[in-house]
Amino acid sequence: EPEVTQTPSHQVTQMGQEVILRCVPISNHLYFYWYRQILGQKVEFLVSFYNNEISEKSEIFDDQFSVERPDGSNFTLKIRSTKLEDSAMYFCASSVSSRREQFFGPGTRLTVL
Amino acid sequence: EDQVTQSPEALRLQEGESSSLNCSYTVSGLRGLFWYRQDPGKGPEFLFTLYSAGEEKEKERLKATLTKKESFLHITAPKPEDSATYLCAVQRMDSSYKLIFGSGTRLLVRP
Repeated sequence: EPEVTQTPSHQVTQMGQEVILRCVPISNHLYFYWYRQILGQKVEFLVSFYNNEISEKSEIFDDQFSVERPDGSNFTLKIRSTKLEDSAMYFCASSVSSRREQFFGPGTRLTVL
Repeated sequence: EDQVTQSPEALRLQEGESSSLNCSYTVSGLRGLFWYRQDPGKGPEFLFTLYSAGEEKEKERLKATLTKKESFLHITAPKPEDSATYLCAVQRMDSSYKLIFGSGTRLLVRP
């Protein structure tokens, strides 16, 4: 069964460093998303991406964040200068259309020291 | 303001003891309501999508229902492997694609 994959599973970084989180969405899906979940809190939307551009972003998704689809299979989230409060699980998701269910990857646990 | 509230926060059941989880929502036009299961340290696993009031979906021991203000996830004769956090999320009818999640219900099923 097709699934969303994410790498790495765990990333530890120093405050102020740049990190890139990688995702491979399900191959026939056209809509891509990033969410995050701070420990013990709700899953929060960050950004949606369709047709090679951002379609929506939340207030969390400030200038420190960017997304890219560098080729036909990968979808990345970059955080330019990490802060302590960026520590969270980051989930990539994809869907075949905007109205259909979103399938989530296993997540990347980001720890900022 | 859009809001998704799940209750109870936590639920302990004996194996075989049926129960229901609630998700109440306030959203400006509902496009769809989604149920997910999340195991510790893992990503949400899709269970059901409900689009209109009166709709029901079933899968094994789980059944999801939808009204104009809330959704229920009914668990019939649960087993220990059903232990997880169950998340409810809504999507608005407008151009937004994002899912708005509730805080979840942590279910523990004891043998």
